Amino acid sequence: EPEVTQTPSHQVTQMGQEVILRCVPISNHLYFYWYRQILGQKVEFLVSFYNNEISEKSEIFDDQFSVERPDGSNFTLKIRSTKLEDSAMYFCASRGIRNQPQHFGDGTRLSIL
Amino acid sequence: SQELEQSPQSLIVQEGKNLTINCTSSKTLYGLYWYKQKYGEGLIFLMMLQKGGEEKSHEKITAKLDEKKQQSSLHITASQPSHAGIYLCGADDQGGSEKLVFGKGTKLTVNP
Repeated sequence: EPEVTQTPSHQVTQMGQEVILRCVPISNHLYFYWYRQILGQKVEFLVSFYNNEISEKSEIFDDQFSVERPDGSNFTLKIRSTKLEDSAMYFCASRGIRNQPQHFGDGTRLSIL
Repeated sequence: SQELEQSPQSLIVQEGKNLTINCTSSKTLYGLYWYKQKYGEGLIFLMMLQKGGEEKSHEKITAKLDEKKQQSSLHITASQPSHAGIYLCGADDQGGSEKLVFGKGTKLTVNP
């Protein structure tokens, strides 16, 4: 069964450094998402991406964050200058068309030191 | 925006027992999704409900959406250790938004 894959599974970075989290969505999907889950808290929406542009973003997704689909398969989340509070599990999701469920990857655990 | 409350927060059952997890919304649900998460791993899609009164089953798991579309339940029959994990309900947010909002989750432990 097709699945969303994320790399790396765990990223440890010094505060202030840039990180790029990578995702390969399911191949025929059109809608792409990033969510995060801080330890012990709810899964929170960050951003949605469709037709090569951001379609919606949350207030968490400030100027330090950016997303890109550099080619036909990858979808990336960049955090420009990481903060301690960016430590969380980051999930990528994709779906084929609206009214279909979102399918999630296994996540990248980001630890900021 | 949408708020989802799940109950109970955690549940410990003996293998073979039935159990129910509830998800209650502050607003009418337009799409309700159940996911399972194992600790430190991703969310596995279980079922999607969209219509009032809808009920879906997969193997030993049944999910229902009430007629008013403000509450959903997930029922597991004859639980097994493989059912253990965190069950999350998620819903389409209001006003045509694409984002999902999630409940805090219900942690299920099944003792052999």
